[in-house]
Amino acid sequence: KNEVEQSPQNLTAQEGEFITINCSYSVGISALHWLQQHPGGGIVSLFMLSSGKKKHGRLIATINIQEKHSSLHITASHPRDSAVYICAVDRGGADGLTFGKGTHLIIQP
Amino acid sequence: GAVVSQHPSWVICKSGTSVKIECRSLDFQATTMFWYRQFPKQSLMLMATSNEGSKATYEQGVEKDKFLINHASLTLSTLTVTSAHPEDSSFYICSATGPLGYTFGSGTRLTVV
Repeated sequence: KNEVEQSPQNLTAQEGEFITINCSYSVGISALHWLQQHPGGGIVSLFMLSSGKKKHGRLIATINIQEKHSSLHITASHPRDSAVYICAVDRGGADGLTFGKGTHLIIQP
Repeated sequence: GAVVSQHPSWVICKSGTSVKIECRSLDFQATTMFWYRQFPKQSLMLMATSNEGSKATYEQGVEKDKFLINHASLTLSTLTVTSAHPEDSSFYICSATGPLGYTFGSGTRLTVV
């Protein structure tokens, strides 16, 4: 079993829809990251969370430490949001991040 | 903001040759640099962790003699894939911890023919 599980693996939605991507993890963490990977491979860090909720524009990320679960929400989705969204956890040591397999999101016009 | 510049963005090489990938932190000092590899439709997997001025720490199953990592300064880390084989074809990406948390390079797509 992977330490970081994401769902769904693939998601296709219509422009304007509210999108939710889920992440569950099985290890103790110091922080959780949501990343966006574009088709060319480049990765952008969206959020780093250790508790509660963060909002940036149309993106909202929440984390429940007790349940070891995080969600990434996109409001008023747009085709330019199409990308792979990756959940990654930091276990606090010197081991870097542990990544989920990503959610491939396609927003159709 | 914190920027990590990674070059080249893509490279095609012949089997048996070596390829060097560079990651530079442009506006901060990266004491630690992480090197990841990503095969198609797979997670990024940590290959090694490099600390400036010391030997890199490799993950289990990663050959240190094949994937040479040098972190000679606080702003530059390099990964050299030696004697490349087609199975080394992958997407390689670096990441550094800086003032804004983890910052990623843009990645290098390596194709070995």
